Amino acid sequence: GDSVTQMEGPVTLSEEAFLTINCTYTATGYPSLFWYVQYPGEGLQLLLKATKADDKGSNKGFEATYRKETTSFHLEKGSVQVSDSAVYFCALSESTGNQFYFGTGTSLTVIP
Amino acid sequence: ETGVTQSPTHLIKTRGQQVTLRCSSQSGHNTVSWYQQALGQGPQFIFQYYREEENGRGNFPPRFSGLQFPNYSSELNVNALELDDSALYLCASSWRQGRSTEAFFGQGTRLTVV
Repeated sequence: GDSVTQMEGPVTLSEEAFLTINCTYTATGYPSLFWYVQYPGEGLQLLLKATKADDKGSNKGFEATYRKETTSFHLEKGSVQVSDSAVYFCALSESTGNQFYFGTGTSLTVIP
Repeated sequence: ETGVTQSPTHLIKTRGQQVTLRCSSQSGHNTVSWYQQALGQGPQFIFQYYREEENGRGNFPPRFSGLQFPNYSSELNVNALELDDSALYLCASSWRQGRSTEAFFGQGTRLTVV
């Protein structure tokens, strides 16, 4: 069945450091891929998405490229800020749009 | 454009009781999905409603049931509550077009079963 595997956390970085959170997936069809962010006590917010192979999603300095050959969708940011501290979830949705499969989440803490 | 709103934000129930959670979908969206997020875990799909009918269900027992109303708002009902039902329940709305699109999530309802 479909699944998403995320890099284990927590991750602690200094401000302005480079961020990578690894995500790989297993899917039977041609899924869309997403990164969601969850701030403490809140729901999920869409960070970025990619709907087909080689697409790059980007938002607020974050980027992720849909790699079909490696079944990956790694999240990157060149210079993190304290305000980026949150939990990040990688997710996929099959072409039917029926449901999302989420990874377990990666907690990021950025220290000044 | 209004976002997805859920009510209540928090509640405490006793084991064996029943609970109803509510969700108002984002304006223009016709599909509502419910997810359970246990502490420290990713959300798990419970079920989805499209045009007032269940349209897919995850690995949850029948005591988890739902409704979608003509205005696309939705309810999640859980009967015979168990301690393991304690979690954050998230509602997500989307516009179903065939190709998957992003879902917009509410703030969630934090359910504690004691």
